Amino acid sequence: NAGVMQNPRHLVRRRGQEARLRCSPMKGHSHVYWYRQLPEEGLKFMVYLQKENIIDESGMPKERFSAEFPKEGPSILRIQQVVRGDSAAYFCASSPSGDSGNTIYFGEGSWLTVV
Amino acid sequence: QKEVEQDPGPLSVPEGAIVSLNCTYSNSAFQYFMWYRQYSRKGPELLMYTYSSGNKEDGRFTAQVDKSSKYISLFIRDSQPSDSATYLCAMSDTGRRALTFGSGTRLQVQP
Repeated sequence: NAGVMQNPRHLVRRRGQEARLRCSPMKGHSHVYWYRQLPEEGLKFMVYLQKENIIDESGMPKERFSAEFPKEGPSILRIQQVVRGDSAAYFCASSPSGDSGNTIYFGEGSWLTVV
Repeated sequence: QKEVEQDPGPLSVPEGAIVSLNCTYSNSAFQYFMWYRQYSRKGPELLMYTYSSGNKEDGRFTAQVDKSSKYISLFIRDSQPSDSATYLCAMSDTGRRALTFGSGTRLQVQP
């Protein structure tokens, strides 16, 4: 019973490089969410996607960040020209549908360090 | 003012104690309330899920929601050292799937 799968678990990037984080939702789940957790802080919503659609991106920074969930393959969170402030844990979550009553299950996270 | 306030702790209790964790919130539109447990360097694990006001019990865990006071609680009975983790409250309103999290309370259960 595979849960939400994220990779890489740990990623180190130099300032100015690109970071790509991947997420495969739980089997049967078609809705994906990305959250960011800064050190000693709670999780902050970034974006909510269905296959080939961005439903809510109200938490995404306006520049350098993008997300997609293609028809085939995992969801990708892309951070261009990373800066030190992007260092954080990025969590992906999934749910079976968009019904507000559905619970959301999280992956183990991808830890990004920008040096 | 944050939308969801949660005491960061750390909260240290002896094994077997009853633990009370709390969150307050300001958005009256919140209808769905969750508690997650997060171990260090791990993803949040869903513990309890409640819709609107009321109580819900699952094993040693009881979740309470008081919408009139905008206050939610998680009680852990017979706490164990394995309960040592950060506990995050989360909530959402109808029609929007984004969860708003508290900053988490770090719990330490001493053997």
